[in-house]
Amino acid sequence: SQQGEEDPQALSIQEGENATMNCSYKTSINNLQWYRQNSGRGLVHLILIRSNEREKHSGRLRVTLDTSKKSSSLLITASRAADTASYFCASSRSNDYKLSFGAGTTVTVRA
Amino acid sequence: SAVISQKPSRDICQRGTSLTIQCQVDSQVTMMFWYRQQPGQSLTLIATANQGSEATYESGFVIDKFPISRPNLTFSTLTVSNMSPEDSSIYLCSVVQPSYEQYFGPGTRLTVT
Repeated sequence: SQQGEEDPQALSIQEGENATMNCSYKTSINNLQWYRQNSGRGLVHLILIRSNEREKHSGRLRVTLDTSKKSSSLLITASRAADTASYFCASSRSNDYKLSFGAGTTVTVRA
Repeated sequence: SAVISQKPSRDICQRGTSLTIQCQVDSQVTMMFWYRQQPGQSLTLIATANQGSEATYESGFVIDKFPISRPNLTFSTLTVSNMSPEDSSIYLCSVVQPSYEQYFGPGTRLTVT
């Protein structure tokens, strides 16, 4: 079952702008992962952040984790048309590795 | 990261029939899962595919409907049995790397008519 929420549900931005989306979860986690999905295809793994980490970067992506608020955010800087996709957060509660997914944020980058 | 393939990539099936989906990984992995993504929805875990033993199903999913095999550490199958239109979804397998990162196959898009 889905453990958390994501907001906004949808986001439309101009190319070159930054996109920020948030994810909340309900229980203690071991790690949280972010994925991208283009038009109902497979999921592309973007980044994993562990429960003892507060911030992580990968290229134009920046992920933060606030375990006291049970929330995470994904920032995409200098967005491109190719960033148009749905973005999902997924949390793992323990060492069983099972992922609970958020509802997802649909990002549209306008040229 | 592991390279994961799934067969078929898509299929259109008639209600009452069954479809078996294959998941192949290019390296041995301990943890493998099957997820379902219903139209316009997020992903839901169906079961953990255990090598050499019965799969472990999540609440709401049963073995009679979704039998799973895991004969070795690189391969698994998921069967969707006695299909109905409500089974129309994308089915994805995933594997866990030693880094805890979980990677997904390209998915199988199933339409039941």
